Amino acid sequence: AQTVTQSQPEMSVQEAETVTLSCTYDTSESDYYLFWYKQPPSRQMILVIRQEAYKQQNATENRFSVNFQKAAKSFSLKISDSQLGDAAMYFCAYRSYRDDKIIFGKGTRLHILP
Amino acid sequence: DGGITQSPKYLFRKEGQNVTLSCEQNLNHDAMYWYRQDPGQGLRLIYYSQIVNDFQKGDIAEGYSVSREKKESFPLTVTSAQKNPTAFYLCASSIISSGANVLTFGAGSRLTVL
Repeated sequence: AQTVTQSQPEMSVQEAETVTLSCTYDTSESDYYLFWYKQPPSRQMILVIRQEAYKQQNATENRFSVNFQKAAKSFSLKISDSQLGDAAMYFCAYRSYRDDKIIFGKGTRLHILP
Repeated sequence: DGGITQSPKYLFRKEGQNVTLSCEQNLNHDAMYWYRQDPGQGLRLIYYSQIVNDFQKGDIAEGYSVSREKKESFPLTVTSAQKNPTAFYLCASSIISSGANVLTFGAGSRLTVL
C-alpha cells in the first residue's frame, strides 16, 4: 500500500523569505501523480501545485515550485517570497494512476512571521 | 456555478445513532471521495468511487457506509459501529483521465457525537 509522510508537523518562516516543506512517499507503482494542497483557516482545500511522475521537469506555479526526486521518492515544496497569506496547513498527496486512490500526508502547519 | 455541496455543515448526534452526510456535485466528475480529518492525522480516506454503483474502501472504512446511485451524489453514513465518529469530514470529486486530475473539495461537515 502507498504511504505519504510529512515529517515536519510545523514550520515557521519570516515574511519574504523562502521555505521548503518536505514530503516522502512509498509506492511500488511507476506511474502516479503528486500534489500539494493548502488548507487555510477557512478549511477550504486549495490546490497549490501538481506533478506527473513521468515528467522529469519540476513543476512551478509562480512562487511555488517542487523538487521531485523519483528515485528517492521525495516531493518537496518550495515557497519563495513568503507572504502572510501563505499561512496554512499544507498537505502532500499521492494519486495512483492504476485505481485513482488518493492519499494524503498528515500535513505541515506553516506560520509566516511578519 | 459548479462545485461540491456538503450538508449539513454542522451535525450533532447521540451515541448509537446513525447519521448520513450529504455530498452533491454538479461538475460532471466521475470520481468522488470521502475523507476524515482529525488534528494531527491529516486527511484519511474512508471510501471512494470511480463510477456509479461501484465504490472501494479506503484506509479507514470500518464503521462507515456509502452509496453511489447517481453520478452527482455520494452520501456517507456514519454508523453506530464507528467508535470515534467526532471529526471533520471532507467530500471531494475529480474527473478521470490520463492527466494529473486534481480534487475539488466541498466545504466540509463537522460531526460531533454528544
